[in-house]
Amino acid sequence: AQSVAQPEDQVNVAEGNPLTVKCTYSVSGNPYLFWYVQYPNRGLQFLLKYITGDNLVKGSYGFEAEFNKSQTSFHLKKPSALVSDSALYFCAVGTNTGFQKLVFGTGTRLLVSP
Amino acid sequence: GAGVSQSPSNKVTEKGKDVELRCDPISGHTALYWYRQRLGQGLEFLIYFQGNSAPDKSGLPSDRFSAERTGESVSTLTIQRTQQEDSAVYLCASSGGGTGGHEQYFGPGTRLTVT
Repeated sequence: AQSVAQPEDQVNVAEGNPLTVKCTYSVSGNPYLFWYVQYPNRGLQFLLKYITGDNLVKGSYGFEAEFNKSQTSFHLKKPSALVSDSALYFCAVGTNTGFQKLVFGTGTRLLVSP
Repeated sequence: GAGVSQSPSNKVTEKGKDVELRCDPISGHTALYWYRQRLGQGLEFLIYFQGNSAPDKSGLPSDRFSAERTGESVSTLTIQRTQQEDSAVYLCASSGGGTGGHEQYFGPGTRLTVT
């Protein structure tokens, strides 16, 4: 069965500093990995995905994520955080077997202070 | 183009009543998903539709929950005899389906409160 772990409920970072939001996964087969962001009272917005190819994936709003197969991780990163990046971030995993049900992590709240 | 829309945006109902939640997916998307998000928690998969295939209902929490989809368009999620534990945000998403790897696009959700 697929599973995703986001070990940090909250990440605090000062504006201008780099940020990392952690995600590890467990699947049978090749993983499809996604990051979504949820702003207050809004639906989830797609940020980026890894399907195949380069391990470093670039997405919206300057975010990127690195797929690490040996560590089964897909951490979200940004070189310089903005206060407007403050939101709830979800990692999700699907596989290339069967249908595309995504399993989501429990989310990590990112707080960027001015 | 238009994104995924859901209605109503908010629904307050009394315990024991039935409710219907509606989702309009992005035009051309063959796959449609329903998720539930309880306060402070992650997303819980409920049901998945892919084209004309039989839906995957493995995430429905009880027989009080059901969903239908007309072709590749509108879907309705019905909760019968609502209970307080049904209070949550119900999110709908659609995607291109097919062989996978397609990102899901989410609607704004319906916030259901059962009193």
